[in-house]
Amino acid sequence: EDKVVQSPLSLVVHEGDTVTLNCSYEVTNFRSLLWYKQEKKAPTFLFMLTSSGIEKKSGRLSSILDKKELFSILNITATQTGDSAVYLCALNFGNEKLTFGTGTRLTIIP
Amino acid sequence: SAVISQKPSRDICQRGTSLTIQCQVDSQVTMMFWYRQQPGQSLTLIATANQGSEATYESGFVIDKFPISRPNLTFSTLTVSNMSPEDSSIYLCSVQTGPGGYTFGSGTRLTVV
Repeated sequence: EDKVVQSPLSLVVHEGDTVTLNCSYEVTNFRSLLWYKQEKKAPTFLFMLTSSGIEKKSGRLSSILDKKELFSILNITATQTGDSAVYLCALNFGNEKLTFGTGTRLTIIP
Repeated sequence: SAVISQKPSRDICQRGTSLTIQCQVDSQVTMMFWYRQQPGQSLTLIATANQGSEATYESGFVIDKFPISRPNLTFSTLTVSNMSPEDSSIYLCSVQTGPGGYTFGSGTRLTVV
């Protein structure tokens, strides 16, 4: 079974801190890696990564993929309470199905 | 990107009964995906619904338990049959909305008592 592991499982930080979330995987035959933010029920799309070493950036969030070391990271700088959510990474193997990671629950304390 | 209307938003059901969840997309899509998220867990794909053919189920999920309909390119339903407390989860539908991008419905939180 394709395995996607995220770490840490949960993280509690103070507002203004910077956090780095990790997504590790064991397979190499995927088309893209995606990051999602899940606040209540529906995940919302953050990034899609296809090439190793190219950083994607959106405001305070950024992400990068390392295909050699088989991981991706999601960075959030100057965290705000609105960043509190579960962050999910997922692999797309090109058959349009997504395999999701275990998720990281991020809590930002005011 | 596509907008998906999913309902019901939540429900509390008696064990042994069935619940049908609906997803309506504002554009035509070839495939729709149904996911389950058990409490504290990540999303697990239940099945892929294609219009005009039977749904394709993932390992561990069967049609008798999770029958799916896909009558046209904008609509799909998932039924959770003969429910037990272990079926208490969030159920989500999803469609691909561009290269690599996926949009999710608002989710259905199901509690079985």
